Amino acid sequence: SAVISQKPSRDICQRGTSLTIQCQVDSQVTMMFWYRQQPGQSLTLIATANQGSEATYESGFVIDKFPISRPNLTFSTLTVSNMSPEDSSIYLCSVGNGVGYEQYFGPGTRLTVT
Amino acid sequence: AQSVSQHNHHVILSEAASLELGCNYSYGGTVNLFWYVQYPGQHLQLLLKYFSGDPLVKGIKGFEAEFIKSKFSFNLRKPSVQWSDTAEYFCATGRRALTFGSGTRLQVQP
Repeated sequence: SAVISQKPSRDICQRGTSLTIQCQVDSQVTMMFWYRQQPGQSLTLIATANQGSEATYESGFVIDKFPISRPNLTFSTLTVSNMSPEDSSIYLCSVGNGVGYEQYFGPGTRLTVT
Repeated sequence: AQSVSQHNHHVILSEAASLELGCNYSYGGTVNLFWYVQYPGQHLQLLLKYFSGDPLVKGIKGFEAEFIKSKFSFNLRKPSVQWSDTAEYFCATGRRALTFGSGTRLQVQP
């Protein structure tokens, strides 16, 4: 399985600011995803990070709020823009190697917005 | 859209007890099914997966799951739990991105 790292591991941010989260994989992967896990809840998919093109967002998530980049097959960033306390969550990166294959998850970034 | 339901939200067992956590999925076509575990303070780990073939799937740490198509179920089992199995367990499905169930918190008492 791939080794996935995320930076930062946690942060406390002020309302109205933005935070960029980085996801680095130790090998090339076909698919990268971003999920959110709100306190005490399950994981919700934010978007699929597409290499070389715009990300594909799930219902309820928009590019202006969660811009995503994926410049190559091992790296992606997720920005949480104009943050509010409701954005306090754990943000997770995951990777997979094709349709129908299992995904592996990074350690997550714990974000608290005050 | 695919969905999964986990009806057990919080399960408390004593060590050596048998475990069965329920998972039901909604999609009637070809399904990929997964169980993930999240130990306290750790990241999500894949326990086991089902794509096709033998409906009884064995995973890591003595866990297994049985795919029953007629019941749309993929229940997780372990014959004898240990204190170290205390964790949150998530059932998931999907062919690209994953849809997760609400999770089951398992607490094993020594």
